[in-house]
Formats: sequence, C-alpha cells, structure tokens
Amino acid sequence: EVKLVESGGGLVQPGGSLRLSCSASGFTFSRYSMNWVRQTPGKGLAWLSFISSSSDTIYYADSVKGRFTVSRDNANNSLYLQMSGLRAEDTAVYYCANFALDYGDDFDFWGQGTLVTVSS
Amino acid sequence: SYELTQPPSVSVSPGQTARITCSGNTLPKQYSYWYQQKPGQAPVLVIYKDSERSSGIPERFSGSILGTTVTLTISGVQAEDEADYYCQSADSSGTYRVFGGGTKLTVL
Repeated sequence: EVKLVESGGGLVQPGGSLRLSCSASGFTFSRYSMNWVRQTPGKGLAWLSFISSSSDTIYYADSVKGRFTVSRDNANNSLYLQMSGLRAEDTAVYYCANFALDYGDDFDFWGQGTLVTVSS
Repeated sequence: SYELTQPPSVSVSPGQTARITCSGNTLPKQYSYWYQQKPGQAPVLVIYKDSERSSGIPERFSGSILGTTVTLTISGVQAEDEADYYCQSADSSGTYRVFGGGTKLTVL
C-alpha cells in the first residue's frame, strides 16, 4: 500500500522558517518524481514544487520561488520542503503528492497533509 | 501565469447529470486531470489524461474535451458525490502544474 506521511507543520512567526518532511512507503520512491501542494483553509489547491526522481529537475511556482527549497533523500524515502521568509499568506495545509500528470497513468497518491500556521 | 477556470459551484438533484467545466488555453495540448476532494480529506484522482477513469472510480464519472474546455460529467449523481472537484493540467512547456479554482458540487 502506497503511503505518504507529512510532518513538520506547526506555528511559526512571520519571517520565520520551517522544514516539512514527507515519508514515503509502499513503492519504489527513488523512481518517482514528487510534488508539494498547499491548500489555504477553505480555499483551493495550489501546486508549489516538483522534483524529479534523481533531483536533477526542480520547478517552483512563482509564489514560492526564492523562498522555498525542495529536496529529497532517496536512501531514506523522504521528501523535504524548506520554507523561509514565511508570510501570513503561507498559512495552509501542505501536501506531498505523486501526480498522475507526471506518469501518464493513474499512479496518483497524496498524503493527509500537515498544517502550517504563520502568525505572530 | 497559466490559469484554469472552473465555475465556483454546480447544483444537481440526485439521479441527474452534473457537468463541471474547466477552461484553459493549453488544454488542447496538455492532458487534464480531475480530482475529488471531500471535507477533511486529501484529493482523490477521478479522471486522468482527459477521459481515462482512475482505478476504483464508478463508471458514472467520465471526462471529455472540446477545444480549450474539458468537462467532468457525473451521470446519475448520488449524494456521496457531493464534494469539491478540481481540474489540473500543465502550462505549454510542461513546467508549471496548475489547478483550477475548484467547483463545489451540491447534491440537492
């Protein structure tokens, strides 16, 4: 069974930093690209970042470029999102996900999300 | 930045057909994907590559494309289909992934 489990969320002050983790199991993590997505409470989904299986291709949404850094550790089946310069508008549930969009089939899995609250 | 446009809400009675549209300039060139999200849950893939139904998704869900608009059709809507639905695609270069704003399906 594919499982993605996010952790690292919490309360952080504006301007602060936070590192999210995503632990993967049930599939060969090192063969799959991964994404981060967030959802503001009561609002829609927003794609944040893509990282290829070998980390040689990385993309960011304009909203987080220069502030967020995605990385992965294939040896430990883990994905990370380092967030800095956090703003109130970064308050959201953050998901790690495999996208069917990246594979051409229906291999598509999401974690349950971790809540990040940016507030003083 | 690239955008996908969905209606904020659609309402139908049980047993009727619901159609949720998603418009975007690159949809003729980039595949679309549809997700269902119920409150407090992560999104679930319903349709991939415009019209392929994901594993375990009931046959009443289907997808289609006409020009720059893709449509998720739910035939014989059931109360359990009440949820938010999001379309997803990529920009013309395939770099930026993007979601539509979401459509809240209400089953009356």
